[in-house]
Amino acid sequence: DVKVTQSSRYLVKRTGEKVFLECVQDMDHENMFWYRQDPGLGLRLIYFSYDVKMKEKGDIPEGYSVSREKKERFSLILESASTNQTSMYLCASSLVSYLNYGYTFGSGTRLTVV
Amino acid sequence: GESVGLHLPTLSVQEGDNSIINCAYSNSASDYFIWYKQESGKGPQFIIDIRSNMDKRQGQRVTVLLNKTVKHLSLQIAATQPGDSAVYFCASDPGTYKYIFGTGTRLKVLA
Repeated sequence: DVKVTQSSRYLVKRTGEKVFLECVQDMDHENMFWYRQDPGLGLRLIYFSYDVKMKEKGDIPEGYSVSREKKERFSLILESASTNQTSMYLCASSLVSYLNYGYTFGSGTRLTVV
Repeated sequence: GESVGLHLPTLSVQEGDNSIINCAYSNSASDYFIWYKQESGKGPQFIIDIRSNMDKRQGQRVTVLLNKTVKHLSLQIAATQPGDSAVYFCASDPGTYKYIFGTGTRLKVLA
């Protein structure tokens, strides 16, 4: 019954490393999103994609990039990991419809940068 | 700017009592609202939604109330159980498919 899958639950990376977070959805959703979640700050949008190869910056894109080569897969890339990118990362997807159905979230990836 | 706020960061309720979690939104263009539940170490799960043409919607033990006049919605959980312990947050869609999320209220159920 799993619909949005994030490849790792926990990751520990070193400062300066290039980090890839993968997300796959099996619901044929057009929209996919990457959020980070920090205590007291809620969910903040990093990037979203509304179609294959299309992407838009969210509220906090600095230090991140994304890739969407296939409809079902949306990757978040930390070009050079820094300690302030230690966070919970959540991937979500949604259907484009005049009847809004909300986001489906993955289980999250807790990233620690040391 | 746009914001979705929650009135209380932590809510403690006795098992069996009803819980009420509140949320305010600022964008009057928001036409769709969702409540999510997030248990520790897990991703958010959809609980219930409501569209702007409604003021009340009921699910299993949960009710969402929407007051568009004061831009307020609430989540009511009947007969709160230990399994209801989690962070709850609301989200609104201002018509862009990019939801605005609240910061969350932690619900603690006391035995």
